[in-house]
Amino acid sequence: GENVEQHPSTLSVQEGDSAVIKCTYSDSASNYFPWYKQELGKGPQLIIDIRSNVGEKKDQRIAVTLNKTAKHFSLHITETQPEDSAVYFCAAPPGRSGGSNYKLTFGKGTLLTVNP
Amino acid sequence: EAGVTQFPSHSVIEKGQTVTLRCDPISGHDNLYWYRRVMGKEIKFLLHFVKESKQDESGMPNNRFLAERTGGTYSTLKVQPAELEDSGVYFCASSFYRGPRDTGELFFGEGSRLTVL
Repeated sequence: GENVEQHPSTLSVQEGDSAVIKCTYSDSASNYFPWYKQELGKGPQLIIDIRSNVGEKKDQRIAVTLNKTAKHFSLHITETQPEDSAVYFCAAPPGRSGGSNYKLTFGKGTLLTVNP
Repeated sequence: EAGVTQFPSHSVIEKGQTVTLRCDPISGHDNLYWYRRVMGKEIKFLLHFVKESKQDESGMPNNRFLAERTGGTYSTLKVQPAELEDSGVYFCASSFYRGPRDTGELFFGEGSRLTVL
């Protein structure tokens, strides 16, 4: 099955700095890679995703890059703000799912703290 | 529109007791999933319903766990008898099934925290 590794487990940055979280996956056939943000007391919420037909996707201050050869993808947050503080999870489905969202394998999460 | 709702938000029980968690998905979402996060670890898939049918229950830990979705609306997850290692946060998620509105996004509830003493 799919194995997803996420680093770092904790990340502390100053407000305005950039933050980068990296994930690797094992199933070379996987072709859908979402990132979820979980704020305290809430459920995970999708913030950005990428499919394997593109190498980068950007949405305002957040971006995701994908390297299919190396089987890793990264979340980039620029100009961080205190409200970006949360746990971030990467995920990938098994390759045989055809890129659907069924049965996601999640990373262990990264606790991001943005200090004012 | 209401999001995914889960009940209870927190349950504390003793080893050997029974607990039933409930999930109400977003209206119109035929896909319903249960996931679990044990302290500090990854969010792990438990099972997937499409309407009332179990599509994939390969993540269910053992036969002490029983999930149902009668009528294809809300779902329940029963743990009987509960063991210490069952402690964690149980998330329910829902999404559209196929079609143009199936974008890949899962909509998660806030989770039910289970503590087994």
